[in-house]
Amino acid sequence: GAVVSQHPSWVICKSGTSVKIECRSLDFQATTMFWYRQFPKQSLMLMATSNEGSKATYEQGVEKDKFLINHASLTLSTLTVTSAHPEDSSFYICSARDHSTGRTYEQYFGPGTRLTVT
Amino acid sequence: TQLLEQSPQFLSIQEGENLTVYCNSSSVFSSLQWYRQEPGEGPVLLVTVVTGGEVKKLKRLTFQFGDARKDSSLHITAAQPGDTGLYLCAGAGTGGFKTIFGAGTRLFVKA
Repeated sequence: GAVVSQHPSWVICKSGTSVKIECRSLDFQATTMFWYRQFPKQSLMLMATSNEGSKATYEQGVEKDKFLINHASLTLSTLTVTSAHPEDSSFYICSARDHSTGRTYEQYFGPGTRLTVT
Repeated sequence: TQLLEQSPQFLSIQEGENLTVYCNSSSVFSSLQWYRQEPGEGPVLLVTVVTGGEVKKLKRLTFQFGDARKDSSLHITAAQPGDTGLYLCAGAGTGGFKTIFGAGTRLFVKA
């Protein structure tokens, strides 16, 4: 149980275009999902907390108009990188909490999406 | 601001050696998780510790939560090349919702 998927696993796009990344909880409902960014050989950097049915909460320094988050259902959150630039190239990872287990401190991570902006 | 300091940042050892990774903070955590991440993949949850002084074992991996719930350690016995990866500790603060991640320990086990 507690499987999280991400799509696509990798994407290459041209500078100035927008890219949407999907995060799905496959076997549980996730009222809260998290989006992280990870640079090579570094730890995870929390970008935002995605809440089903409400606006996302962004971490300090993360541009909400550039990284659009939509959590339209209990199993799907999307991250759209708008007007992407080469500096947005990174490994983006989502995670979700399964509140049905009672262990809401545990997060289950997706496999990540590698974004390359040319 | 809660911080988790993880050490060492990088560790390269021979197969069969033992190692310990530390995760320390000045703050109290209601729980602490250890994750392992391989290149190009998302982190995978290894264990959660919630009680001060708790010790959990997962085959050759031993996890310990400090009595004061401010620190934790991961000990690997007889490391194998398959243990190679990035090990991350993560803590959930008391009364908080956000999870704090350590900087990670990159382990390389040579055959």
